[in-house]
Amino acid sequence: DAKTTQPPSMDCAEGRAANLPCNHSTISGNEYVYWYRQIHSQGPQYIIHGLKNNETNEMASLIITEDRKSSTLILPHATLRDTAVYYCIVRIYNQGGKLIFGQGTELSVKP
Amino acid sequence: GAGVSQTPSNKVTEKGKYVELRCDPISGHTALYWYRQSLGQGPEFLIYFQGTGAADDSGLPNDRFFAVRPEGSVSTLKIQRTERGDSAVYLCASSLSRDTHTGELFFGEGSRLTVL
Repeated sequence: DAKTTQPPSMDCAEGRAANLPCNHSTISGNEYVYWYRQIHSQGPQYIIHGLKNNETNEMASLIITEDRKSSTLILPHATLRDTAVYYCIVRIYNQGGKLIFGQGTELSVKP
Repeated sequence: GAGVSQTPSNKVTEKGKYVELRCDPISGHTALYWYRQSLGQGPEFLIYFQGTGAADDSGLPNDRFFAVRPEGSVSTLKIQRTERGDSAVYLCASSLSRDTHTGELFFGEGSRLTVL
């Protein structure tokens, strides 16, 4: 699976959009981009995934560049409860469900 | 139950002892995963089951670690001759099928193991 690079930490003001970047320059054509987050003392939680089109759900939006070498997770109106570590993962869609987690981005939402 | 259940939530043991950690996945989920997470690190993959069989055990660090899933539901992670370096949170996750591309794994809250 391709390697991802994320900034170790970011801050965001409550109510503002949080934009979390991820680089995956070695992604291959059959690899999806997944985002999970982990709130302190809990297990990771799925947020969203995509292949090449932008995706949106009730939690977030995922913007994938045309060359698919990077993506951005957008939390449109961050709340204090969004403070967590966010993991960007790439994975072949029909491979066994193993996810390889990196270090992630620690997002701190501040009042 | 509604989610993945892991027991015990906390386990303190002494170096050299044997430990078992249990995972009860979401009903109907055929795939089950074990991860461990050290402080400040992302979850580290250990083993993945599809049904009763271990489809990928490449993450098990050594032969002191073993996992079973005899009936394709509940799984037990077994650690022999525990060492202080085994101290971590052990996470279990389950998902519907390896063939689905949604890739959504549902995680439990983990079992915190402390080896003194």
